Formats: sequence, C-alpha cells, structure tokens
Amino acid sequence: AQSVTQLGSHVSVSEGALVLLRCNYSSSVPPYLFWYVQYPNQGLQLLLKYTSAATLVKGINGFEAEFKKSETSFHLTKPSAHMSDAAEYFCAVSPRGKLIFGQGTELSVKP
Amino acid sequence: EAGVAQSPRYKIIEKRQSVAFWCNPISGHATLYWYQQILGQGPKLLIQFQNNGVVDDSQLPKDRFSAERLKGVDSTLKIQPAKLEDSAVYLCASSNRHPNYGYTFGSGTRLTVV
Repeated sequence: AQSVTQLGSHVSVSEGALVLLRCNYSSSVPPYLFWYVQYPNQGLQLLLKYTSAATLVKGINGFEAEFKKSETSFHLTKPSAHMSDAAEYFCAVSPRGKLIFGQGTELSVKP
Repeated sequence: EAGVAQSPRYKIIEKRQSVAFWCNPISGHATLYWYQQILGQGPKLLIQFQNNGVVDDSQLPKDRFSAERLKGVDSTLKIQPAKLEDSAVYLCASSNRHPNYGYTFGSGTRLTVV
C-alpha cells in the first residue's frame, strides 16, 4: 500500500532561515505527490504537486519540492522563512485519486 | 469561483447523540470526498463520491456513519450515535479533474463529543 512518512512532527526556524520539511513515500508505482498547508481553523490549501513531469516543482508562496526517486523523497523547502509561513504542512500521495496524508509537520517561525 | 462550503463550522454534542454535516462542492465538480482529521493526525478518507454514486467507502464506520450525495451536488455526512473518539475536524473536498491533480478543501466542521 502507498504511504508517506513525515520526519519531525514539529520544526522551528528563525525568520529568514531555510525551511526544510521532510517527506518520504512508499509506492510500487510512480506516485503523484502533494504538499498541502493548513492554517489554524482552516481547510487544506494545495502548495504544490508532482505529477511525473519536472522533478523540481515550484509552488505558491516561494515553496518548492524535489522528487528524488532513488531516495523515495519529496522534501519541501523555502529559502527564507517568513512569519506568515507558520502553519501545519502535510505531504500526501495519491493512489488512484485518493489522497493519503502523512502525520503532518507543524512549522514555527521565530522572529 | 466560490470555494467548497461546509456547515456548521463548529458543533458540540454529547456522546450517543446524532449529528449531521453539510457540504456544497464547487459548482460542476463531479467528485466529492469526506475526510476525518483527528487532532495531531493527517486527514483520513472516509468516503468518495463520483456524481451521486459511492466510489470508495472502505474506511467509513458504517455502523454509525452514513453519507449521501443526492442529485450529485450537495452531500451530508451523519454520525449516529456519536462516540467520544469521533471528535475531529470533518473536511469536505471536491474535484472536477483527474483527482491526481489535487482537489479543493472546505474549511471543515470541528466536532467535539463530550
């Protein structure tokens, strides 16, 4: 069965620092991979998605993720954190149209 | 375009009571999903509709949960009777394309069972 594992339930960075949120997937077929962000008391917003085109995917708000098949990873990065990036981030894999989510990583940004 | 609408936003009920959640997807979206998000966990799919037919309800606790999507538009998710462990955020999502391109989520209904 396909699944994703997010390493680190909580990540704290300083404003302006690099953001790195880790996601590893397991899949027997080429996966479709997603990153979603959830702000407090809101639904999930799509940040970016990998659908077997370019391995480096750019998303909204300056985020990007790189698909590495050899490492079965799809880590999310942002060069410079902003206070408004503080939120919960979810990695997800989509077998046949159903999103399977990781446990989530809460990102805190310190001034 | 208008987003996915859900109501109510919050609901508090006692255990063994019943509750219903409503979802209005984006106009024209054929596929509709209900997810359960327990605090500290990622969302878990409960049921998927394609138009008004059920595609996947394998993780829906059918002894207490039910869902319907009449006329292929709005959908209702019901819990009867509720248990303490049903406390969660219930998210509705919809899509008009191949689901592998992602879909749009509503803001969710936060259910607290006391």
